[in-house]
Amino acid sequence: KQEVTQIPAALSVPEGENLVLNCSFTDSAIYNLQWFRQDPGKGLTSLLLIQSSQREQTSGRLNASLDKSSGRSTLYIAASQPGDSATYLCAVNDYKLSFGAGTTVTVRA
Amino acid sequence: SAVISQKPSRDICQRGTSLTIQCQVDSQVTMMFWYRQQPGQSLTLIATANQGSEATYESGFVIDKFPISRPNLTFSTLTVSNMSPEDSSIYLCSAKQGANTGELFFGEGSRLTVL
Repeated sequence: KQEVTQIPAALSVPEGENLVLNCSFTDSAIYNLQWFRQDPGKGLTSLLLIQSSQREQTSGRLNASLDKSSGRSTLYIAASQPGDSATYLCAVNDYKLSFGAGTTVTVRA
Repeated sequence: SAVISQKPSRDICQRGTSLTIQCQVDSQVTMMFWYRQQPGQSLTLIATANQGSEATYESGFVIDKFPISRPNLTFSTLTVSNMSPEDSSIYLCSAKQGANTGELFFGEGSRLTVL
């Protein structure tokens, strides 16, 4: 059974600092990995999708890397803003999606 | 991308009653799923909604408690039956276009509180 772990569980940084969010998974036989953002009481917004054959994906200030062999993905958010405050979830797709518990980010103005 | 609409967005329900959540996608999708997110927890897959046939349920979830319909490629419903306070959660509909390697999209969720 796929186990997905996200560290740290919570993170508080001053505005402008770069964010580094980690995701690890136990079974490397995956199709892809997806990063989501969730605001309190809301649904999930897809941020980045990395296929198993890719090493990284970028969208604006967001960059996600994938090292399938070591079972790790990292989401980088450059020059954080208060609007980046949310919970970030990674989900690993090995036919079914398995979610991590998330990292709750607070960006202080 | 797919835009997913869910209703109701929230509801307060009495113990022992049932509630049906509707999920509408703005385009045809190959796969639709229902997830539950209990307070302070991550997402747990309830079932895969199969078009024109019975849903595929995950371990710990049964059809009598969570009947699901999917009459076509853009619409699905989830019913939470005989509710108890333990069913208080956010229920999320999601969909995927194309192959299993496609991107997963979510609705805004339905927040249920059972008294």
